[in-house]
Amino acid sequence: DIAMTQTPLSLSVTPGQPASISCKSSQSLLNSDGKTFLYWYLQKPGQPPQLLIYEVSNRFSGVPERFSGSGSGTEFTLKISRVEAEDVGIYYCMQSRQLPGTFGQGTKVEIK
Amino acid sequence: QVQLVESGGTVVQPGRSLRLSCAASGFTFSDYGMHWVRQAPGKGLEWVAIVWYDGSHEYYADSVKGRFTISRDNSQNTLYLQMNSLRAEDTAVYYCARDTDDFGRLTHWGQGTLVTVSS
Repeated sequence: DIAMTQTPLSLSVTPGQPASISCKSSQSLLNSDGKTFLYWYLQKPGQPPQLLIYEVSNRFSGVPERFSGSGSGTEFTLKISRVEAEDVGIYYCMQSRQLPGTFGQGTKVEIK
Repeated sequence: QVQLVESGGTVVQPGRSLRLSCAASGFTFSDYGMHWVRQAPGKGLEWVAIVWYDGSHEYYADSVKGRFTISRDNSQNTLYLQMNSLRAEDTAVYYCARDTDDFGRLTHWGQGTLVTVSS
């Protein structure tokens, strides 16, 4: 199975400041069709997860522009340009390059 | 709008069986792959199983392989998870989710149903 490792595991951010989460995979997530199957999800308190970013850098419908994803191969980053109060929750990266799909441990983001 | 509603979660003894359901509405159910993802209390997300849009293929996490069976009834717009030989470590909120275009793009999730395995 492909292991996903996120850092940091927790983050305390002042509103309006940027935040960054790293995700590393144990194998390349680049598929033979040129796509890279890396996703970012946010689970807000008491809610199911919601898709933020698909295939490394594509924002899902309705996701604010302050969220961006980047990376390639085995190293990926989620950035929030200016954190807002509604961004609190746990962020997970996930790979589907190979079944079974695997999630990172999660990064808890809170507001200072 | 897309709705996924899980049901069937309860308290069950170790070794017993349980079937979860996920009722889908607001989209053409038979066009999409469907997943179960679980979350143990206070823990992270664990992908459990996938069934292809037409039910032709399934895949499972190693932790449930041989004990759980994912299935779907496209005529009833319903996804199932049959869970046998339940263990304490299967205690979790179970979410059903719909994918779009590829396995990892889980665009819609239900609210989850809690399964507690305890004597």
